[in-house]
Amino acid sequence: SQTIHQWPATLVQPVGSPLSLECTVEGTSNPNLYWYRQAAGRGLQLLFYSVGIGQISSEVPQNLSASRPQDRQFILSSKKLLLSDSGFYLCAWSVYSNQPQHFGDGTRLSIL
Amino acid sequence: SQQGEEDPQALSIQEGENATMNCSYKTSINNLQWYRQNSGRGLVHLILIRSNEREKHSGRLRVTLDTSKKSSSLLITASRAADTASYFCATVLYSGGGADGLTFGKGTHLIIQP
Repeated sequence: SQTIHQWPATLVQPVGSPLSLECTVEGTSNPNLYWYRQAAGRGLQLLFYSVGIGQISSEVPQNLSASRPQDRQFILSSKKLLLSDSGFYLCAWSVYSNQPQHFGDGTRLSIL
Repeated sequence: SQQGEEDPQALSIQEGENATMNCSYKTSINNLQWYRQNSGRGLVHLILIRSNEREKHSGRLRVTLDTSKKSSSLLITASRAADTASYFCATVLYSGGGADGLTFGKGTHLIIQP
């Protein structure tokens, strides 16, 4: 069966520090991969999606970037975190773009 | 931009009662999906209804879709304490390069009182 792993579960970082969140999927090949951010009490905002290795599409301009170095690995990064980067970050995968997505348990990021 | 909007934002009912949540969206869709999120966790897919379907059932869940009104509803029958969660509707965005990620509403927070 397919599983998705996301880590770390929580992270506290100072303003201006770098960021690296990792997501890996097991049990499937060539999945579509997604990064979302959820602000407190809000819905999810799509940040990045990828349909293949090295293929990244960004939905909104921001202080973050994403990379897909391997088929089932998706990384969210920042060179310098801002206070506004705080939130709950969720990684997800799907077989096709319009099919159900399967989410990891998220990373709660707090910027001090 | 926000595509789906759930209504109500919060709902509190007694265990055993039925819970109904509504979702409205703005543009044409390929399908509409409902997800559940327990506090502090990732989302779990519940049900997908295609644009050419009007109603779909899965266990205690019943989803309807009215494309003329651009609205959907999620009914949970015989609610249980474990149904306490936030529920989101989501639609598929389309761009020139193909389908993108899902667009979510802000969700309905459902509380089941024991």
